[in-house]
Parts: sequence; structure tokens; C-alpha cells
Amino acid sequence: GENVEQHPSTLSVQEGDSAVIKCTYSDSASNYFPWYKQELGKRPQLIIDIRSNVGEKKDQRIAVTLNKTAKHFSLHITETQPEDSAVYFCASSDGGGNKLTFGTGTQLKVEL
Amino acid sequence: GAVVSQHPSRVICKSGTSVKIECRSLDFQATTMFWYRQFPKKSLMLMATSNEGSKATYEQGVEKDKFLINHASLTLSTLTVTSAHPEDSSFYICSAPGNSNYGYTFGSGTRLTVV
Repeated sequence: GENVEQHPSTLSVQEGDSAVIKCTYSDSASNYFPWYKQELGKRPQLIIDIRSNVGEKKDQRIAVTLNKTAKHFSLHITETQPEDSAVYFCASSDGGGNKLTFGTGTQLKVEL
Repeated sequence: GAVVSQHPSRVICKSGTSVKIECRSLDFQATTMFWYRQFPKKSLMLMATSNEGSKATYEQGVEKDKFLINHASLTLSTLTVTSAHPEDSSFYICSAPGNSNYGYTFGSGTRLTVV
């Protein structure tokens, strides 16, 4: 089955700096890669996603890049703010409403 | 659109008792529901996939007789934790695929504490 690895597990940045979280996946059939932000005790919130037919997608301060050949995808947050502090999960799916496999999570802390 | 309502949000039960968690799709028909468990500071681990009108598919290592899943209608899937033990204490969350081939809707989660 699919295996998604995520790094780093914790990340501290200064406010205004950029943060990058990386994931790798194993199943070449995976074609949908969402990123979620989860606050303690809450449901995951989708912040951005990318399908395998594109290599990059951007939404204001957030961007995701995908390298299908290397089976890598990354989340980029620019101009970080304290409210960006949370746990972030990458995930993958082979589409068609099939199951999501989650990465191990990254605790992002944005310090003043 | 695409809202999944999950109840209860929190439950405390005694060891040996059973607890039922419900997930309802409010504005769409969910033929599939994914059930995840999340331990503190850990990732979401898929436990099982429920399909309306058929038996659930369990992930390796998940006890079918302990975690009973029922998906009797297109809007309701339930997870029953039977004979609960303290080690079952966790955050349980359901998720349904959206109307397109991509995207998922999550319930709000259930914090189960077994004492």
C-alpha cells in the first residue's frame, strides 16, 4: 500500500520567514496530494491541494510543488505569521474517492 | 456544501462498555466513509472504509469485532467501539469523499476517553 513520509517533524521559524515541509510517496498511482492544517482537537482543514497533472500551485502565501518522477511534493509558506502555527499533514490518494494516506505530520511554530 | 456531522464530540466511558460514534452527511450522499484514529501528536491512521449496503473493509491490524462499522444508509455511517479499554482512548474522525473525484470532507472528530 501507499506510504507517505513527511519531514521535518518539527519546524520553528521566525515570523516573516518561509517554511518548507516535504513529503515523499511510494505509490505511482497516487494522483492527488492535499495538504491539511490541524489545530489541537479539531478536524484537518484543507489548505491547498495539487493533482498530478500540474507541477505547482499557489494560493497567496501558500504554494505546493510536485515532482512526479521523484515522488516528492512540498508545501511552501511564505511570510509566516503566528497564526500559521499548527500541525500540517500531507496526504495522497489515487483519486476516484479512494482513501487518503497521511504523512506523519509537521509541528510548525512561528515565533515572534 | 459537503458537510459531515459527527457525534458525539466527546465521550467518556467505563472500561468494558461500548460507544457508538455517528457520522452523517448532511447535504450529499456518502456511499463511502473513511474512519480514522489519531493518537496524541500522531498522524491520522485509517482504520476502515465503510460502504453503503456492504461490509466494511478494515486495515491490517484493526480488529473487526472490536470496531464495528455500519453504513446502512447513504447519509449515515457508525463506528461502535465494543468492550472499550483505556488503550482505545483516542481521537476518532470520519471522512467522506466529496462530489468530485477529488476532495474529502471531514467530521469534527470524537474524543473518546475510556476510564
